[in-house]
Amino acid sequence: DAGITQSPRHKVTETGTPVTLRCHQTENHRYMYWYRQDPGHGLRLIHYSYGVKDTDKGEVSDGYSVSRSKTEDFLLTLESATSSQTSVYFCAISEGSTNYGYTFGSGTRLTVV
Amino acid sequence: GQNIDQPTEMTATEGAIVQINCTYQTSGFNGLFWYQQHAGEAPTFLSYNVLDGLEEKGRFSSFLSRSKGYSYLLLKELQMKDSASYLCAVVNYGQNFVFGPGTRLSVLP
Repeated sequence: DAGITQSPRHKVTETGTPVTLRCHQTENHRYMYWYRQDPGHGLRLIHYSYGVKDTDKGEVSDGYSVSRSKTEDFLLTLESATSSQTSVYFCAISEGSTNYGYTFGSGTRLTVV
Repeated sequence: GQNIDQPTEMTATEGAIVQINCTYQTSGFNGLFWYQQHAGEAPTFLSYNVLDGLEEKGRFSSFLSRSKGYSYLLLKELQMKDSASYLCAVVNYGQNFVFGPGTRLSVLP
């Protein structure tokens, strides 16, 4: 299996505080993605990266920023957490060819109170 | 717009066959994936279709009709461990995945 880890696995934070989630891969894959998963909505793309310092927005990017300073790390930051950002966040990696699909991390459950 | 529809929930009996449907309308098409996701875990790859027809892999098969914007996942000889959510995802022209809401399958003894 591809080496992809997310940290933390669980986090509770207060409204208005900044939060950073980390995704780390050992597969040297070019593409990395952040998704959120909510009941009834499925997985929705927040941001993605196609290389070091190359990132782009997904469909639900408002309130989130990302950074990728190294191939292996992709950080997701909630600039000022809100209750609507309570969700399960998944990181995924891909070699880039669509027929390989994605490999997902184990997820981060974030609760904003 | 982009839209993928799947039934929300399905129930089937151990040993039976179940078909999970997926219909899609997306900005382009570069393939369709099915993922399995057990509760509290990450999605894992099941199948990939890019051409029309049936792809078989053990107890699982996936069918695609691009002209109808339709796919199904067929699970045979159901086992209790098949209780999970099944996610349909389409790769659009931007090479990004668009996921459906998922179908929660419960397998009963």
